[in-house]
Amino acid sequence: KNEVEQSPQNLTAQEGEFITINCSYSVGISALHWLQQHPGGGIVSLFMLSSGKKKHGRLIATINIQEKHSSLHITASHPRDSAVYICAVKNNYGQNFVFGPGTRLSVLP
Amino acid sequence: EADIYQTPRYLVIGTGKKITLECSQTMGHDKMYWYQQDPGMELHLIHYSYGVNSTEKGDLSSESTVSRIRTEHFPLTLESARPSHTSQYLCASSEKVSDTQYFGPGTRLTVL
Repeated sequence: KNEVEQSPQNLTAQEGEFITINCSYSVGISALHWLQQHPGGGIVSLFMLSSGKKKHGRLIATINIQEKHSSLHITASHPRDSAVYICAVKNNYGQNFVFGPGTRLSVLP
Repeated sequence: EADIYQTPRYLVIGTGKKITLECSQTMGHDKMYWYQQDPGMELHLIHYSYGVNSTEKGDLSSESTVSRIRTEHFPLTLESARPSHTSQYLCASSEKVSDTQYFGPGTRLTVL
């Protein structure tokens, strides 16, 4: 079993829909990182979480430490949100992040 | 926008050639990383550095080597490129106290 799993693997939505991407992990963690990778390959950081919830614009990230689960929500989705969304975790005994396989999101106009 | 740069962006090269992928950041970050990513696959850490003259191998075994002589510069070298090295290589940096990683645009390497 991979240390970090994401679901769904692929997601197609209509513009305006509410989107949820899930991340689950199998070990205790000290931090969880949500990132966005655009088709050109560039990666940008969205959120760094260790507990609770964070919001930035139309993006909301939550984490449940007990259930070893995090969700990334996008409200009022737009075609420009089309990208691969990556979850990465730093476990309690590690120094570096382990990356999930990513969720490929396509938002259709 | 992050001030981290990679050159070249694209490189097509023949088997056996020596190559160096450049990565520079102007943010004064102590930590720097090299990741390898095959198409449609997850990122794998191949090298990291927590400061000048400090380099470590990552989780994924790699035939490449790195150096960290200056804080802002973290080049990756392949002494003899092979087709199995074909991949995208992403450089990142982060502050000592923050785990937020800032990524460069990547170098897409093709070895023929």
